Amino acid sequence: QKEVEQNSGPLSVPEGAIASLNCTYSDRVSQSFFWYRQYSGKSPELIMSIYSNGDKEDGRFTAQLNKASQYVSLLIRDSQPSDSATYLCAAFSGGGADGLTFGKGTHLIIQP
Amino acid sequence: GAVVSQHPSRVICKSGTSVKIECRSLDFQATTMFWYRQFPKQSLMLMATSNEGSKATYEQGVEKDKFLINHASLTLSTLTVTSAHPEDSSFYICSARRDRDQPQHFGDGTRLSIL
Repeated sequence: QKEVEQNSGPLSVPEGAIASLNCTYSDRVSQSFFWYRQYSGKSPELIMSIYSNGDKEDGRFTAQLNKASQYVSLLIRDSQPSDSATYLCAAFSGGGADGLTFGKGTHLIIQP
Repeated sequence: GAVVSQHPSRVICKSGTSVKIECRSLDFQATTMFWYRQFPKQSLMLMATSNEGSKATYEQGVEKDKFLINHASLTLSTLTVTSAHPEDSSFYICSARRDRDQPQHFGDGTRLSIL
């Protein structure tokens, strides 16, 4: 069974610091990875997509993928209180599976 | 681009009522749409996967006769919760995707409360 694991937190980070969110996955054939942000009571919002090994940067966000270690992470630089949310990691395996496998999410708190 | 509209945003109704939720991809054609349910402080749970013009694929434990899904076009999927009961109260979220390796884009969700 495919699994995506995240530390549920809460992860508390001071404002202005780098927040580091980690995710591991069990399915070696996972091809595509996504980070979503979900505010309380709202639906998830896509933050980053990453498909190949290495780093991908978009503004204050950097996604890192290491397929050999089955590890994907999200770094948030210059953290702001508005970044406080639950961050969901998701993996897509292709093949017969159509949907994403989601982790349970990490609750991030940015302390002013 | 990649906007998904979900309607209604909130429903409060009596036990035994059937409730229909619409999910529309506004600026792209969605080959596949997904329906999720999320209980408070829990993760997203996939209920079913819907491909245009074909029957939905339901996850284990989800009653297909209770949660009717219709994917009539490449931009519209509907979820009907039939004879809803208080235990069906939850946050229902749809998502849509262009192609298989593309990200899913979520609607704003529907908060369903059954009295």
